[in-house]
Amino acid sequence: DVKVTQSSRYLVKRTGEKVFLECVQDMDHENMFWYRQDPGLGLRLIYFSYDVKMKEKGDIPEGYSVSREKKERFSLILESASTNQTSMYLCASSSGQNWKAFFGQGTRLTVV
Amino acid sequence: GDSVTQMEGPVTLSEEAFLTINCTYTATGYPSLFWYVQYPGEGLQLLLKATKADDKGSNKGFEATYRKETTSFHLEKGSVQVSDSAVYFCALRDFGNEKLTFGTGTRLTIIP
Repeated sequence: DVKVTQSSRYLVKRTGEKVFLECVQDMDHENMFWYRQDPGLGLRLIYFSYDVKMKEKGDIPEGYSVSREKKERFSLILESASTNQTSMYLCASSSGQNWKAFFGQGTRLTVV
Repeated sequence: GDSVTQMEGPVTLSEEAFLTINCTYTATGYPSLFWYVQYPGEGLQLLLKATKADDKGSNKGFEATYRKETTSFHLEKGSVQVSDSAVYFCALRDFGNEKLTFGTGTRLTIIP
């Protein structure tokens, strides 16, 4: 079965900490995405990557960065966590060949 | 830019009722349209899709028809079940673009 795995289901971090959210996919997909999900706002795209070492800003990249050193792994980095980054973070991957996005289960991050 | 507007929730229905969740979109090009579903505690999964005007996507008794003239992609099901309780997201992907744009989501609760 195809899989997108996010390293943590729940995280609690302190304001100012550097936070790493990891995502791994086993489908050899070119495209990977990070979204945040907030009530009443739906899913908003933070960053996406269409190839190793390539990245594109989404709709809300401020306060975030990403890393894609290997095809299967896409990391989201909060350089200095703030309380307004408390949210559910969803990773997804897709292939241009048969376009369907697969999502991980999400990481619920709380910044205190 | 691209945007998706979907029906505000939450929606509560009795089992076997008819369901409609409205979705309209704005896109600069000729988009593909999707419905994703998020069951409690899980990531999003693709429910159905349509890639051109007048296409009908269907899955698990759900249907949606791509209406270019009204820029709509409403989700329907003739007889809902308790197991359909979830959050439903309408989304689009514009032609030549890898990223998905989501609506705000509609929480559906079916009571026995």
